[in-house]
Amino acid sequence: DIQMTQSPSSLSASVGDRVTITCQASQDIPNYLNWYQQKPGKAPKLLIYDVSNLETGVPSRFSGSRSGTDFTFTIRNLQPEDIATYYCQHYDNLSLLTFGGGTKVEI
Amino acid sequence: EVQLVESGGGLVQPGRSLRLSCAASGFTYDNFAMHWVRQGPGKGLEWVSGITWNSGNVGYADSVKGRFTISRDNAKNSLYLQMNSLRPEDTAVYYCAKDILGGELRYFFEWGQGTLVTVSS
Repeated sequence: DIQMTQSPSSLSASVGDRVTITCQASQDIPNYLNWYQQKPGKAPKLLIYDVSNLETGVPSRFSGSRSGTDFTFTIRNLQPEDIATYYCQHYDNLSLLTFGGGTKVEI
Repeated sequence: EVQLVESGGGLVQPGRSLRLSCAASGFTYDNFAMHWVRQGPGKGLEWVSGITWNSGNVGYADSVKGRFTISRDNAKNSLYLQMNSLRPEDTAVYYCAKDILGGELRYFFEWGQGTLVTVSS
């Protein structure tokens, strides 16, 4: 099974900062990687699908990219409402889905 | 408006069984794959199981394989999770989630508010 290692587990940044979160796959995988935002006490929300596609209505300060087995999630110009825990999620062709461990973003 | 309402959670002893339900509305239910995702207290998200639109393809996390069974009733717009041989580590909020696609298990696009399952003696 493919393992997704997400880092860091938490970070603190200031309003207006650029924030970067990484998920590393244990082996080369297709672009089957999504990102979610979960605010305290709420259900998660899909932000980015298939590495870099922004879900409808999601602000353009959120973005995703990949380099080899490293998948990167970026928030440009961090806003107070971005305080949340972010998760990467991988899916494969064998009907197996896996989340990364999560990154808690604080201001 | 899409609504997913989970029910059936509660306190159960280790080794016992529990059946969760998810009532779906606001969309054409039999067009979409569905999932169960759980989150233990203070922990991250864990995908539990998924099922395609016609029940032709199902998937399970290794942690629940052989103990949990997912099913759906398209006539009733409902999703189920039969959980047997429950363990304390199954304690979590269980979310029902709707996929974007029908024939593949890929995304968690819409979510319910969750139902809490506590496994303890």
